[in-house]
Amino acid sequence: EVQLLESGGGLVQPGGSLRLSCAASGFTFSSYAMSWVRQAPGEGLEWVSAITGSGGSTHYADSVKGRFTISRDNSKNTLYLQMNSLRAEDTAVYYCAKDSRPAMTTGTTYDYWGQGTLVTVSS
Amino acid sequence: SYELTQPPSVSVSPGQTASITCSGDKLGDKYACWYQQKPGQSPVLVIYEDRKRPSGIPERFAGSNSGNTATLTISGTQAMDEADYYCQAWDSSTVVFGGGTKLTVL
Repeated sequence: EVQLLESGGGLVQPGGSLRLSCAASGFTFSSYAMSWVRQAPGEGLEWVSAITGSGGSTHYADSVKGRFTISRDNSKNTLYLQMNSLRAEDTAVYYCAKDSRPAMTTGTTYDYWGQGTLVTVSS
Repeated sequence: SYELTQPPSVSVSPGQTASITCSGDKLGDKYACWYQQKPGQSPVLVIYEDRKRPSGIPERFAGSNSGNTATLTISGTQAMDEADYYCQAWDSSTVVFGGGTKLTVL
């Protein structure tokens, strides 16, 4: 059974940093691209970042480029999101999502999602 | 940047057919997929690669994609189908979600 378990969310002041983790199990982690997708309270889904199965290529939404860094440790089956210079508008539930393919392509689809972790940026 | 547009809300009577559209420039040249999200829950994939259903998704869920519009069709809509639905596509190394459609079954 595929499981994705996010952790690391919490309350942080504007300008602060936070690192999210996503522990994966039930599939060959290194064979699939992974992404972070967020959802602000009462809002829709927003793609944040993606990383290929090998970790060799990363992609970011313009809204987080230069502030967030996605990474993965395939030996630990864990995905990370380092978030720096946090802003109030980064407040959201952050989901870890498994791609159905090893790299983002036109057929990129998220076939499994974690339960999400809430990040609140406020003073 | 690429955009996907969905109607904010769609209403349907139980047992009837619901159609939710997703519009984007030349969307038919890309693959579209659809997610269902119920309150307080994570999204669930219901359609991928325009028209394929993951295992466990009822046959009443169907998808199509042509021209500038992808459509999610739910036949024989049930009360349990009431949820938010999001379309998604990939463009220029970014993933794009539609704004979401709230499906009300009444």
